[in-house]
Amino acid sequence: GAVVSQHPSRVICKSGTSVKIECRSLDFQATTMFWYRQFPKKSLMLMATSNEGSKATYEQGVEKDKFLINHASLTLSTLTVTSAHPEDSSFYICSARDGGYGTEAFFGQGTRLTVV
Amino acid sequence: TQLLEQSPQFLSIQEGENLTVYCNSSSVFSSLQWYRQEPGEGPVLLVTVVTGGEVKKLKRLTFQFGDARKDSSLHITAAQPGDTGLYLCAGVNNDMRFGAGTRLTVKP
Repeated sequence: GAVVSQHPSRVICKSGTSVKIECRSLDFQATTMFWYRQFPKKSLMLMATSNEGSKATYEQGVEKDKFLINHASLTLSTLTVTSAHPEDSSFYICSARDGGYGTEAFFGQGTRLTVV
Repeated sequence: TQLLEQSPQFLSIQEGENLTVYCNSSSVFSSLQWYRQEPGEGPVLLVTVVTGGEVKKLKRLTFQFGDARKDSSLHITAAQPGDTGLYLCAGVNNDMRFGAGTRLTVKP
């Protein structure tokens, strides 16, 4: 299957700083990427959907200025958590899709963010 | 609010037993996917069902997509301890949304 690489896998940062998470499709062009957040022992909650070259569509309740998403190329999307606080600590996962409606998406390995 | 209602959320059974996990929605999906996730890792795709009424088998796992493409079930026959994990259904349209997940524990 297609490969999606997410980096870093773990990051610890100080409260008030910003953290960037990268999601790369290694062997296909990702026209759409999804960003999810997962709390311990919970399911994945969709944060935003990004299409290459367009602004991301954020889910209700997700702060656009807090979670900056950039999908500038067909192989890379980034999620930047700005002015991080301890409550932003979570597991963040991206997935990428190479086609349109209904095409299979492939997941990254996830990033464990801890804000201290 | 979960678009997909997944049940049960927790299930603890003995090795050899059968089980069924349900995924229901009021929305129609172009496809529905089932994933399994291990702690600290991304979800791993088990199956994609596309056609209403479709049944797919993967060894001891049987997946069914409802006729109206709003619901799905996962049936595991003769569960083994290695089946322990978090099972997630995901409805796919323009985006992909997950159910709450079923945390399965199979005891030896």
